[in-house]
Amino acid sequence: GNSVTQMEGPVTLSEEAFLTINCTYTATGYPSLFWYVQYPGEGLQLLLKATKADDKGSNKGFEATYRKETTSFHLEKGSVQVSDSAVYFCALSVTGNQFYFGTGTSLTVIP
Amino acid sequence: NAGVMQNPRHLVRRRGQEARLRCSPVKGHSHVYWYRQLPEEGLKFMVYLQKENIIDESGMPKERFSAEFPKEGPSILRIQQVVRGDSAAYFCASSSKRGKDGYTFGSGTRLTVV
Repeated sequence: GNSVTQMEGPVTLSEEAFLTINCTYTATGYPSLFWYVQYPGEGLQLLLKATKADDKGSNKGFEATYRKETTSFHLEKGSVQVSDSAVYFCALSVTGNQFYFGTGTSLTVIP
Repeated sequence: NAGVMQNPRHLVRRRGQEARLRCSPVKGHSHVYWYRQLPEEGLKFMVYLQKENIIDESGMPKERFSAEFPKEGPSILRIQQVVRGDSAAYFCASSSKRGKDGYTFGSGTRLTVV
């Protein structure tokens, strides 16, 4: 079946630290991969995506590379800011009918 | 351009009552999706609708839950005879075509059953 496993949190980092949130997936077809971010009390916002192997999605300093050989889509940022504090969800979609989400990783960045 | 609008933001219902959650998609979007987020969990797919049609309801509970997306007006997720286990955040998303490229999500309706 289709599923996403992501690194459990919570994660606490100091400002300007390097961030990695791991995400691996299983899929019955050829998925598109996504990272969404959820700020407190809000809905999910699309952060970045990749639709085929070796594609790199990037946005606001965040990056993730679609690795088919390791079935992974790890999220990275070189220097986090306090404003990056949120919950991050890895997700996949095969048909577009539905997305399969990981359980989310809570990130807190302290000044 | 308004995004996906959901209302109410918060809804409190007593056990046995009905809950009606509304979702107005992004203007021009004809595909609507409903997801449920239980505490400390990720989002779980419930149903995918296109104007006046249910395309995929594989994630909907078999009883008490229904969804519609009429030709005019918002999409409605209806939960009859609510129970405490229905307490969750319900998110609606929309897209202009089948959403493999990603959706736009609303801010959600937080349902509390007391």
